[in-house]
Amino acid sequence: EPEVTQTPSHQVTQMGQEVILRCVPISNHLYFYWYRQILGQKVEFLVSFYNNEISEKSEIFDDQFSVERPDGSNFTLKIRSTKLEDSAMYFCASRAGQLTQYFGPGTRLTVL
Amino acid sequence: QQQVKQSPQSLIVQKGGISIINCAYENTAFDYFPWYQQFPGKGPALLIAIRPDVSEKKEGRFTISFNKSAKQFSLHIMDSQPGDSATYFCAASKYPSNTGKLIFGQGTTLQVKP
Repeated sequence: EPEVTQTPSHQVTQMGQEVILRCVPISNHLYFYWYRQILGQKVEFLVSFYNNEISEKSEIFDDQFSVERPDGSNFTLKIRSTKLEDSAMYFCASRAGQLTQYFGPGTRLTVL
Repeated sequence: QQQVKQSPQSLIVQKGGISIINCAYENTAFDYFPWYQQFPGKGPALLIAIRPDVSEKKEGRFTISFNKSAKQFSLHIMDSQPGDSATYFCAASKYPSNTGKLIFGQGTTLQVKP
């Protein structure tokens, strides 16, 4: 069964450093998402991406964040200058035209 | 307006019992209500979902009950099993939409005791 994959599974970085989280959505999907989950809290929407552009972003998704679909398969989230409060689990999700969003296993980001 | 409120925060049920988790929403524009199951270290996985044109949907041991007038929906897990022990999130979204972002509830940690 097709699945969303994410790399790395765990990323440790120093405050102020740039990180890139990578996702490979399911191949025929058209809509792509990033969510984050701070430890013990709910899953929060960050950004949605459709037709090669951001379709919606949350208040969390400020100028430090960017997304890109550099080729036909990868979908990346970049954090330009990480803060301690960026420490969280980041989930990529994708969907085709129907309603179901499929989530990847997540990347745990730890900012020291 | 965008919030989805979920209760209880945690739930302990004996094997074979019924687990019930409740959610309430505010935005009447929401028209898609999924439940996700999450095991430790894994991403959320869709369990069951409902649209507001029906009041109940059943898939195996899992049932969603939906009350449009009260803006509430709930997940019932019949004959709960230890393997059901996980965190459950309700969510809501608006369709059709070029975004379809999910607004999640706070989550319920379910423990099913053998």
